[in-house]
Amino acid sequence: QQQVKQSPQSLIVQKGGISIINCAYENTAFDYFPWYQQFPGKGPALLIAIRPDVSEKKEGRFTISFNKSAKQFSLHIMDSQPGDSATYFCAASMGEYQAGTALIFGKGTTLSVSS
Amino acid sequence: DTGVSQNPRHKITKRGQNVTFRCDPISEHNRLYWYRQTLGQGPEFLTYFQNEAQLEKSRLLSDRFSAERPKGSFSTLEIQRTEQGDSAMYLCASSYTGNLAGDYNEQFFGPGTRLTVL
Repeated sequence: QQQVKQSPQSLIVQKGGISIINCAYENTAFDYFPWYQQFPGKGPALLIAIRPDVSEKKEGRFTISFNKSAKQFSLHIMDSQPGDSATYFCAASMGEYQAGTALIFGKGTTLSVSS
Repeated sequence: DTGVSQNPRHKITKRGQNVTFRCDPISEHNRLYWYRQTLGQGPEFLTYFQNEAQLEKSRLLSDRFSAERPKGSFSTLEIQRTEQGDSAMYLCASSYTGNLAGDYNEQFFGPGTRLTVL
């Protein structure tokens, strides 16, 4: 049972455009939602993360939108650049101060930004 | 660079052999995690330690897998009697937990060890 569903699987965006990647989760106990960026041959790098007490978080060109009632969250990359071409993973976990801090990852979205 | 380091970066072995990977977390990070990532998939959680205590193990961690963190610093992951299905990237991550940790569960990943079982 996949607990975090990510879409689309791949995405092609023109330079300067907006890239949007969506994730949906099932477990309402999740309370931490990070996005990771991974380049080939490298480990995932944390981009931005959100908790369910806010609906939006922005850091530079990256924004997370969170919809708790729909159990969905999305990553928006504004002014997409060729250097943003990578694989993006959404993830979720629960209860920092409780048992279970494993990150549950989506299957990833391969983003290509054409120049 | 004081990030998470993993060794070796690549390992090729024959089916049935044992392999061991090492992870050095960010200094003073008290939690250390192991994940496995296969091609085209997201990382899958295997196990994690808080200091030297192994607190959680995924059902993916069969009895051929064992992980240790003897002094609460570096960790090793051993796979015994490797199978072709063990071929994957093995990722290590670390984090700091505490009341003043800020954004919690912020896990920092190493570059991974790519295992190929022939």
